[in-house]
Amino acid sequence: AQTIHQWPVAEIKAVGSPLSLGCTIKGKSSPNLYWYWQATGGTLQQLFYSITVGQVESVVQLNLSASRPKDDQFILSTEKLLLSHSGFYLCAWSPQGGEQYFGPGTRLTVL
Amino acid sequence: AQSVTQPDARVTVSEGASLQLRCKYSYSATPYLFWYVQYPRQGLQLLLKYYSGDPVVQGVNSFEAEFSKSNSSFHLQKASVHWSDSAVYFCALSPTSSGQKLVFGQGTILKVYL
Repeated sequence: AQTIHQWPVAEIKAVGSPLSLGCTIKGKSSPNLYWYWQATGGTLQQLFYSITVGQVESVVQLNLSASRPKDDQFILSTEKLLLSHSGFYLCAWSPQGGEQYFGPGTRLTVL
Repeated sequence: AQSVTQPDARVTVSEGASLQLRCKYSYSATPYLFWYVQYPRQGLQLLLKYYSGDPVVQGVNSFEAEFSKSNSSFHLQKASVHWSDSAVYFCALSPTSSGQKLVFGQGTILKVYL
């Protein structure tokens, strides 16, 4: 069975500080991987997706970047956090297109 | 452009009652459609999906949804709700031309009272 793990579970960071969030999928080779952002009480916004190692497509610009250094790993990062980056970050995977399966999420608070 | 509308921000029902959560979509062709559930402080769980064929699809935990092309809708239903069904429910659309894109509705908060 496939499992998806996100780290850290939660972060409290200062405005202007760097950020790195991680996601690992086990039990599935060459998955499509995705990053989403969810404001508190809000809907989900797709940020990035990747269909293969080293290739990442940006969906929206939020002063964030993403990388896929390994087949099973997806990293979300920024060099300077903004207050507007606060929220819930979710990683997801899919076999190809179609339904996506979500990780447990990382809650980010920027102060 | 594609969009998903969930017209009810909040729905409150008593335990044992039937449930319908509404979802309307906008897309030029027949999309792939999904319902997800999110419990507090957790990720999303897939309830059911529609790709083609029978317009009534069965999902987990006795949920089902009905696709209507004429109404551009994909309503979620359950015959008898339980207090543990209280959560946020999201309808989502994936354009058949772009399998990587997933567009979510605003979500409906379901509260089941005893």
